[in-house]
Amino acid sequence: QVQLVQSGAEVREPGSSVKVSCKTSGGTFSKFAFSWVRQAPGQGLDWMGGIIPIFGTANYAQKFQGRVTITADESTNTAYMELSSLRSDDTAVYYCARRLTSAPKDWYFDLWGRGTLVTVSS
Amino acid sequence: SYEMTQPPSVSVSPGQTASITCSGDKLGDKYACWYQQKAGQSPVLVIYQDNKRPLGIPERFSGSNSGNTATLTISGAQAMDEADYYCQAWDSSKGVFGGGTKLTVL
Repeated sequence: QVQLVQSGAEVREPGSSVKVSCKTSGGTFSKFAFSWVRQAPGQGLDWMGGIIPIFGTANYAQKFQGRVTITADESTNTAYMELSSLRSDDTAVYYCARRLTSAPKDWYFDLWGRGTLVTVSS
Repeated sequence: SYEMTQPPSVSVSPGQTASITCSGDKLGDKYACWYQQKAGQSPVLVIYQDNKRPLGIPERFSGSNSGNTATLTISGAQAMDEADYYCQAWDSSKGVFGGGTKLTVL
């Protein structure tokens, strides 16, 4: 069945960057947009941004604008999220999630990755 | 930026009906969906397009959205429904989640 396979846990020092990947396994890539959603320990879900791979354009939440870069590689069916200038409060589980690219009524996340824990610590 | 507000917690007795609200300015003009997240797991879609259930989601889950409030209703709540629930919508092509509601079934 279709899965979103995310890269493994990362540990980074404050001020550095991290890049997390999300590979679509067993399904179509081009019909979908991919978002990144993070969840700090004990906290709620926070939409960071998303990308429509066939267009290549990304859209970011104001909160993360300037620090996050979301890209996609259609040749490998993989979406990426890079977060820079890491701080301790960026410690969180980062999820990728997909939605259709058709009408807004279809913009719901029907499939999620298992999440990638990013720990920021010196 | 657009905000949606949920009650932090809701409690329900087994077999009773639980309602979880999500409030946002003119939320009824948008499409709302709901996700269930159990401890240590990824979120799962339980309601989309305000009131539709994905395949595999029990009929006891239903949704509505009108005015400024979307509501997730669980009729005949079961112990397995104990989880965090998040509403979600789009505003100017940016995703927005509510703060989440912890549902306790006891």
